[in-house]
Amino acid sequence: QVQLQESGPGLVKPSQTLSLTCTVSGGSINSGSYYWTWIRQPAGKGLEWIGRIFTGSANYNPSLKSRLTISVDTSKNWFSLRLTSVTAADTAMYYCAVVGTTTNAFDIWGLGTMVTVSS
Amino acid sequence: DIQMTQSPSTLSASVGDRVTITCRASQSISRWLAWYQQKPGKAPNLLIYKASNLESGVPSRFSGSGSGTEFSLTISSLQPDDFATYYCQQSNSYPYTFGQGTRLEIK
Repeated sequence: QVQLQESGPGLVKPSQTLSLTCTVSGGSINSGSYYWTWIRQPAGKGLEWIGRIFTGSANYNPSLKSRLTISVDTSKNWFSLRLTSVTAADTAMYYCAVVGTTTNAFDIWGLGTMVTVSS
Repeated sequence: DIQMTQSPSTLSASVGDRVTITCRASQSISRWLAWYQQKPGKAPNLLIYKASNLESGVPSRFSGSGSGTEFSLTISSLQPDDFATYYCQQSNSYPYTFGQGTRLEIK
């Protein structure tokens, strides 16, 4: 069973770049069985799909597309998120998750990592 | 973007009650609809996929139905562990979108 673990800085200054990684264990990121995804949730609010990557091809939420890059590192078995020019509106819990090709839903989630944008 | 609207936003119920949460899509999403349960401080957990398919390990008191633009999640007999927030989510087209959530609280 695939497991996911997010990692990254808990605090980022406004206008800087947020970088997060999601380490995959229990399976290969090259398996072709999953779409690798990022989702975020501001405190006390709902869920927002950020984007996903599959076999090197990425899809992004248009609201973030100009600032966002999602990539895969097969040598490290992880995928990453890079969000530039962050503001307080980017403060949230960030989750990595996988979309199963059978379910087309978020089957497996990481525990999440809290990111605060503040000077 | 496809807008997902859940109702009610908050639902008060008692253990043993049968409850239904509805989710409406702003355009047809066929059956590409999933339901999640989220407890405080935890990641969401998949309950139902493709509108009515029960995820492995999820109790059979949870069921989903619907197609097109109208969907529902039913819990047949509420258990203490079911008090949580529930989200619907469409995977018909990008960007994937979620409903605003329904908080199920103890009456």
